[in-house]
Amino acid sequence: GAGVSQSPRYKVTKRGQDVTLRCDPISSHATLYWYQQALGQGPEFLTYFNYEAQPDKSGLPSDRFSAERPEGSISTLTIQRTEQRDSAMYRCASSTGQRETQYFGPGTRLLVL
Amino acid sequence: DQQVKQNSPSLSVQEGRISILNCDYTNSMFDYFLWYKKYPAEGPTFLISISSIKDKNEDGRFTVFLNKSAKHLSLHIVPSQPGDSAVYFCAAYPINTNAGKSTFGDGTTLTVKP
Repeated sequence: GAGVSQSPRYKVTKRGQDVTLRCDPISSHATLYWYQQALGQGPEFLTYFNYEAQPDKSGLPSDRFSAERPEGSISTLTIQRTEQRDSAMYRCASSTGQRETQYFGPGTRLLVL
Repeated sequence: DQQVKQNSPSLSVQEGRISILNCDYTNSMFDYFLWYKKYPAEGPTFLISISSIKDKNEDGRFTVFLNKSAKHLSLHIVPSQPGDSAVYFCAAYPINTNAGKSTFGDGTTLTVKP
């Protein structure tokens, strides 16, 4: 595709519900990243994929958070049993490889009530 | 424990003058640094990068300087233009096996006044 897309752009959910966020990376890009960004802060690393492999998920805050990229293209980030502190902007980025320029999507703003 | 710090949340500069944005890091394993620019309601976009084997990289109006001994990098914009008004993030990659894990600073909001 022309750029990285994310859906939904906005998500409001009630505490305790599960949410799944989707990222469509640039089609030729091997590496895909997920970040959480609080207001007024920089993107905070959650996890990344090289194709379908997930070398590092050290940034996931708890076991309620999981990410998949089963076919090495589209990725999903799932938050189970959401809590109010999960409210943030979730950004996805893709690159041709590790340590290459990351191209960011517009983000999904999640609000947990 | 923030490994990448941008200590100035905001900077205001007159059009035509130099803008200098600073970034400090604590992890000596970082060896590759990037600056990203972000406009409201958009994702960050890549601006310029520098490897630890260099101390300077220039691209048009943008120059990044790296001082490894001080663990400090800076982004110079000359001359500054109103369209440069945005949030600027610095980011760093480590050299070790977690080479894909980038760490971002909290950003500096640059305002360039006409």
